[in-house]
Amino acid sequence: SQQGEEDPQALSIQEGENATMNCSYKTSINNLQWYRQNSGRGLVHLILIRSNEREKHSGRLRVTLDTSKKSSSLLITASRAADTASYFCATAPSYSGAGSYQLTFGKGTKLSVIP
Amino acid sequence: KAGVTQTPRYLIKTRGQQVTLSCSPISGHRSVSWYQQTPGQGLQFLFEYFSETQRNKGNFPGRFSGRQFSNSRSEMNVSTLELGDSALYLCASSLGQGVGDTQYFGPGTRLTVL
Repeated sequence: SQQGEEDPQALSIQEGENATMNCSYKTSINNLQWYRQNSGRGLVHLILIRSNEREKHSGRLRVTLDTSKKSSSLLITASRAADTASYFCATAPSYSGAGSYQLTFGKGTKLSVIP
Repeated sequence: KAGVTQTPRYLIKTRGQQVTLSCSPISGHRSVSWYQQTPGQGLQFLFEYFSETQRNKGNFPGRFSGRQFSNSRSEMNVSTLELGDSALYLCASSLGQGVGDTQYFGPGTRLTVL
């Protein structure tokens, strides 16, 4: 079953605008990660934020985490056509044991950046 | 370091056949996970192997199986293929020693079942 749910499912913006995607999850987490997938290809890791962190930056990416609301957001600033892709959040559970090594992925947000 | 490689990249099979997919992880990574991705269901976890042992398994029927070799390379096998098995199969490798380690994905194998 899906732990993370991204919102919106699809987003279309003009080049240069900012894109914001949200992720909600249900159970306690150790960390939350964002991945990007270009059409029909493998996923690429973007950023990891731990449960004790509230915000993290990487280049044009900004991720926030609100554990009280069980939600995270990914902001891409000054978007480019090359940012067109699907974006997934993935959660790592807070418990230990065999299943704790596993990430659970949401269904993704499909971002289209129009030149 | 070389990335995760998957072979073959594309496969076309007919119902009832079986198929074996291969994944070579990043050097030094001991964990390999397999996922099935379809437009309707998204990314579904199949199983994870660490040091040749299946450590975690998703909710897939027994027709889906896998193994890992001593060099960490992994294979997954699907027997008695069904039309619904058409999907992009992704493998991902990680160090596998920490909770929620970053996963590094291969380009995937696109399986079409006719």
